[in-house]
Amino acid sequence: EVQLVESGGGLVWPGGSLRLSCAASRFTFSTYSMNWVRQAPGKGLECVSYISSSSSAIYYADSVKGRFTISRDNAKNSLYLQMNRLRAEDTAVYYCARGTSYSSGSYGSYFDYWGQGTLVTVSS
Amino acid sequence: NFMLTQPHSVSESPGKTVTISCTRSSGSIASNYVQWYQQRPGSAPTTVIYEDNQRPSGVPDRFSGSIDSSSNSASLTISGLKTEDEADYYCQSFDSISRWVFGGGTKLTVL
Repeated sequence: EVQLVESGGGLVWPGGSLRLSCAASRFTFSTYSMNWVRQAPGKGLECVSYISSSSSAIYYADSVKGRFTISRDNAKNSLYLQMNRLRAEDTAVYYCARGTSYSSGSYGSYFDYWGQGTLVTVSS
Repeated sequence: NFMLTQPHSVSESPGKTVTISCTRSSGSIASNYVQWYQQRPGSAPTTVIYEDNQRPSGVPDRFSGSIDSSSNSASLTISGLKTEDEADYYCQSFDSISRWVFGGGTKLTVL
């Protein structure tokens, strides 16, 4: 079974930085797009960033654009999210999620496997 | 841009059937696939339906998905409800502008 394990969350001051990691196993990491999806306490889901299998395409939600940077290391089967200039509204559980393209070839993808999440708390 | 609207909560008794709706605000519901994710309390989401009506391996056939162009909505139907089905359910779709759009989630109570 696919395994995704996040790490790196914690308590950080507003304006501070954190780097999240996601260790992937039991699938060919280099052939899948990857995503970071967050969930604020008691709230719904928001995809904050996407990276294609080769890192050639990257997406950020407007809420994090210019502050967060997604990257991956296919040799290490790892996904990262560098979060700078953190704000209170970034407080959330951050999930690493594998992306799978639609079987019909239609444009787009969905999240087929999720990690257990890592909590980021931005507070003074 | 579009939104996906779900009822905030639904409840039903064990053994019964429940349907959760997901209505697209603009554009056709059929223009991009709809997925459904289950999130049990304290756990990460898991996929229960993808590409409108496909079930991942391991998801019981009690779970089914459909779309209805006349109401511009998608539906998740769970039959033979079990207490273990109690969870939050999120619909999700995609477009080239909004990218991954989630519904607000529906809390299913099985009582």
